[in-house]
Amino acid sequence: DAGVTQSPTHLIKTRGQHVTLRCSPISGHKSVSWYQQVLGQGPQFIFQYYEKEERGRGNFPDRFSARQFPNYSSELNVNALLLGDSALYLCASSLAPTGAYEQYFGPGTRLTVT
Amino acid sequence: AQKVTQAQTEISVVEKEDVTLDCVYETRDTTYYLFWYKQPPSGELVFLIRRNSFDEQNEISGRYSWNFQKSTSSFNFTITASQVVDSAVYFCALNAGNNRKLIWGLGTSLAVNP
Repeated sequence: DAGVTQSPTHLIKTRGQHVTLRCSPISGHKSVSWYQQVLGQGPQFIFQYYEKEERGRGNFPDRFSARQFPNYSSELNVNALLLGDSALYLCASSLAPTGAYEQYFGPGTRLTVT
Repeated sequence: AQKVTQAQTEISVVEKEDVTLDCVYETRDTTYYLFWYKQPPSGELVFLIRRNSFDEQNEISGRYSWNFQKSTSSFNFTITASQVVDSAVYFCALNAGNNRKLIWGLGTSLAVNP
């Protein structure tokens, strides 16, 4: 079975631009979470979606938004990019929308904002 | 407050040595879940283990073992006979209460040298 997939792998954008990151969960997983990981730190929770509804949101500005599609894939959108948005963006899928279940992560999208 | 502390920032060992990665957690909830993830240089977080607060049995999986002690709020991870492929950043994480997100430690960077 395929694991969690993310696209693109790498992305370079300039300040002020918009970016869309994509994630496909493991087959059968209905919950998708997004994390931001800055070098040298642990992942920071951005969003969780389950059955196309937002179930959790971390402490990120409104420039960050996400959605989940009927096939459970998900998009993370970031508007008005700042240099500080440069990070590894990780998508994780799990069976249920609670943090108690193990989450399976994709390879991530490395975003560089110049 | 919920918190995960991984006091060891970096560890360097020689191949075949045993190594223990420490994890101390804080939570007031009686029901909680602890996790360990491995992040190799490729960046993808790999799920290793999930343990709930009602199961204090230690677990062994090949060269990996975990020691869960509620009395000291610790969930330590030991790699026996380490190998170069074990080189990675290892994260301990906590989910407690109705929190939908994981609380992550800062990670321990393990370097296994030949």
